[in-house]
Amino acid sequence: GAVVSQHPSWVICKSGTSVKIECRSLDFQATTMFWYRQFPKQSLMLMATSNEGSKATYEQGVEKDKFLINHASLTLSTLTVTSAHPEDSSFYICSASYRVGTDTQYFGPGTRLTVL
Amino acid sequence: GENVEQHPSTLSVQEGDSAVIKCTYSDSASNYFPWYKQELGKGPQLIIDIRSNVGEKKDQRIAVTLNKTAKHFSLHITETQPEDSAVYFCAASPGNQFYFGTGTSLTVIP
Repeated sequence: GAVVSQHPSWVICKSGTSVKIECRSLDFQATTMFWYRQFPKQSLMLMATSNEGSKATYEQGVEKDKFLINHASLTLSTLTVTSAHPEDSSFYICSASYRVGTDTQYFGPGTRLTVL
Repeated sequence: GENVEQHPSTLSVQEGDSAVIKCTYSDSASNYFPWYKQELGKGPQLIIDIRSNVGEKKDQRIAVTLNKTAKHFSLHITETQPEDSAVYFCAASPGNQFYFGTGTSLTVIP
């Protein structure tokens, strides 16, 4: 149980285009979903927290107009990287939690974004 | 905010030996401490977790200990196997989000 999927697993795009990444909780309802970014050989950096039906809460330094997050249902959250540039190339990982607050986060397999 | 430190950054052990990874945290409000294993190119996988009302938890070859007074917790892997090779992350949560350690790259030498 507690499976989280991400799609696509990898994507290559041209500079200036937008890319959408989907995160789905397959066998549970996720009231809260998190989006992380991870650079090679580094830890996970929280980008934003989203609760179903509410606007996402972004961490300091993360541009909300560039990284659009939508959590329209209890099983789906999307991250759209708008006007992507090479510096946006990274490994993006989502996680999902049953409840707000102290509880286990189940991570997706990640999406490798390469911007040319 | 919470600050989590993790040591060592790299660890090599012989197959069959034990591996220990240690983390410290700063916020006494943290009450949930998960450990994740991440293989190359994949997302983190929860391997064990512990809450602040428990001092130790064990699941087969994996155990976690928590010392609330000293604000540190450790991951213990016994009888290591080559498939244990991965990056391990600890995290501490005071309730709103996870604060991750910097990771430990574990290599089990056959």
